[in-house]
Amino acid sequence: EVQLVESGGGLVQRGGSLRLSCVASGFTFSSYWMSWVRQAPGSGLEWVANINQDGSENYSVDSVKGRFTISRDNAKNSLYLQMNGLRAEDTAVYYCCLGGISRRDAFDIWGQGTMVNV
Amino acid sequence: EIVLTQSPGTLSLSPGEGAILSCRASQTVSTSYLAWYQQLPGQAPRLLIYATSNRATAIPDRFSGSGSGTDFTLTISRLEPEDFAVYYCQQYGTSPLTFGGGTKVEIK
Repeated sequence: EVQLVESGGGLVQRGGSLRLSCVASGFTFSSYWMSWVRQAPGSGLEWVANINQDGSENYSVDSVKGRFTISRDNAKNSLYLQMNGLRAEDTAVYYCCLGGISRRDAFDIWGQGTMVNV
Repeated sequence: EIVLTQSPGTLSLSPGEGAILSCRASQTVSTSYLAWYQQLPGQAPRLLIYATSNRATAIPDRFSGSGSGTDFTLTISRLEPEDFAVYYCQQYGTSPLTFGGGTKVEIK
């Protein structure tokens, strides 16, 4: 069964840091683009960042550039989001998402999410 | 950035009725890069449709997608009780990837 399990969320003060993790199972993790998507309480979905198969290419939304860093460790089947300089507007559920072989693929599988409160 | 506008914001319907959800883009989106997701309360979103009209794995055929250019539609032919949820469109062809604001389909 394909599964994504996020962890690392919690309560943090403004200006603080947090590192989210996502462990993947049930598929060949190193073959796919991965993304983070967030959802503020009572709001819609916002794509945050994505990363290619070997971690050499990544993109992010302007609002997190310079503060958030996406990375991955294929040996550990894990995706990460390092979040620095956290702001109140970063409060959200953060979802780890499985993309495709191409950067331009829909998000086939989503994790259950981890809540970040700033 | 491509802005996606979904309408209506809320759709009040009864089980068995059909639903038509709209997604309008601020600029042309290739049909290869338009998706629809369903989100039930308290759950993560689930992929329904990709590339405008292709159903994802295990998605029933009462869900269908269509459209081109800047106008896209998700149609639910006969609403089942489990279909009452929030639906989001997404374009994934141009960075930043963007989502529409969502349409809530509620029980009338």
